Amino acid sequence: NAGVMQNPRHLVRRRGQEARLRCSPMKGHSHVYWYRQLPEEGLKFMVYLQKENIIDESGMPKERFSAEFPKEGPSILRIQQVVRGDSAAYFCASSPPLQGVQETQYFGPGTRLLVL
Amino acid sequence: SQQGEEDPQALSIQEGENATMNCSYKTSINNLQWYRQNSGRGLVHLILIRSNEREKHSGRLRVTLDTSKKSSSLLITASRAADTASYFCATDGGGAQKLVFGQGTRLTINP
Repeated sequence: NAGVMQNPRHLVRRRGQEARLRCSPMKGHSHVYWYRQLPEEGLKFMVYLQKENIIDESGMPKERFSAEFPKEGPSILRIQQVVRGDSAAYFCASSPPLQGVQETQYFGPGTRLLVL
Repeated sequence: SQQGEEDPQALSIQEGENATMNCSYKTSINNLQWYRQNSGRGLVHLILIRSNEREKHSGRLRVTLDTSKKSSSLLITASRAADTASYFCATDGGGAQKLVFGQGTRLTINP
């Protein structure tokens, strides 16, 4: 059973370009979460999605950031017109269908975005 | 505001010693989880403890939870060089589906 997969693992963009980060959850998991980690800091929640639905986007910046989890295919985190402050590690996590309370989230290896 | 806060921020011990890390949080929770992150890598789930549990063991790991003090501790016994990593606690904030992480404890095991 493959774990959470993210690609690319490293992404370099120039200011103003778009970054697209992909996440394939573990088999059987229908819930996806995106987190951002700045150097020497903990992870900060960005967005929680189920198939074709955004459940909680309270951690997403209001502009330039969007996320989707289509019926088919991976979840995508899209950052438009990147700026240097977007440089960070972006982690995706997945969990099985929830049964009332928080279940364990399993993390992918992350995508390290560098904006030049 | 930061929900979970670990202390110490950094810990350096000799191989074979025990390492204890603490985590404090602010709101009520349903459960608390500990994760390990090796430098430049993703997070590995270590253990989940529910709010009605006080202690949990997994191999060389021992986690305690004191909901009255809103704190948890992670003990790693008989440490090994391979335990060198950052350790994070994460809470669910009392029902939200997002995890709230602390800043982490950077643990270094010296051979």
